[in-house]
Amino acid sequence: DQQVKQNSPSLSVQEGRISILNCDYTNSMFDYFLWYKKYPAEGPTFLISISSIKDKNEDGRFTVFLNKSAKHLSLHIVPSQPGDSAVYFCAARPTGNQFYFGTGTSLTVIP
Amino acid sequence: DTAVSQTPKYLVTQMGNDKSIKCEQNLGHDTMYWYKQDSKKFLKIMFSYNNKELIINETVPNRFSPKSPDKAHLNLHINSLELGDSAVYFCASSLPLAGGELFFGEGSRLTVL
Repeated sequence: DQQVKQNSPSLSVQEGRISILNCDYTNSMFDYFLWYKKYPAEGPTFLISISSIKDKNEDGRFTVFLNKSAKHLSLHIVPSQPGDSAVYFCAARPTGNQFYFGTGTSLTVIP
Repeated sequence: DTAVSQTPKYLVTQMGNDKSIKCEQNLGHDTMYWYKQDSKKFLKIMFSYNNKELIINETVPNRFSPKSPDKAHLNLHINSLELGDSAVYFCASSLPLAGGELFFGEGSRLTVL
């Protein structure tokens, strides 16, 4: 029962262009959403989050958008840089409960 | 100065053996977790402890036994290892469940032969 889904296992983008990573969820009780970035042989590191009371949160080159009616979350990276090449995990949580993770999208930024 | 550290990073062992993975966090967090990332790259929670007390125990074989001697440590002991236990195990910590993101360790890759 996968409550958080990332349907694109991989994405390739040219350096300088926008990367858009998508995430869908099924549980309407989720109220906190996060994106994690993971390099090989390392643990996931927190990137950006958004609460369900917002529809956008921006931090430098990274912006997360939340569409509650569609139960859809996206991460925009602009401009994309080669160092952004990593696996990106979407995660969501109902209040006071555990996090549920997607299966990740592997982003490759081509120089 | 690593925030969440786990040892060992790699572990290769035979079926039927018993092994442990240790985790320590120096962030002062109250809650610690064990996650399993299987071959399909799915990160799934196994256990969560808050101030040394078990609060989440997902459907995990009872061959897996967590132990938290204090709130900065959460160890994972696995008895009678099976081939299907091969995975990467991540320790994580956070402020209490109601707030904040997870901080992960680097992962421990377990290979059962």
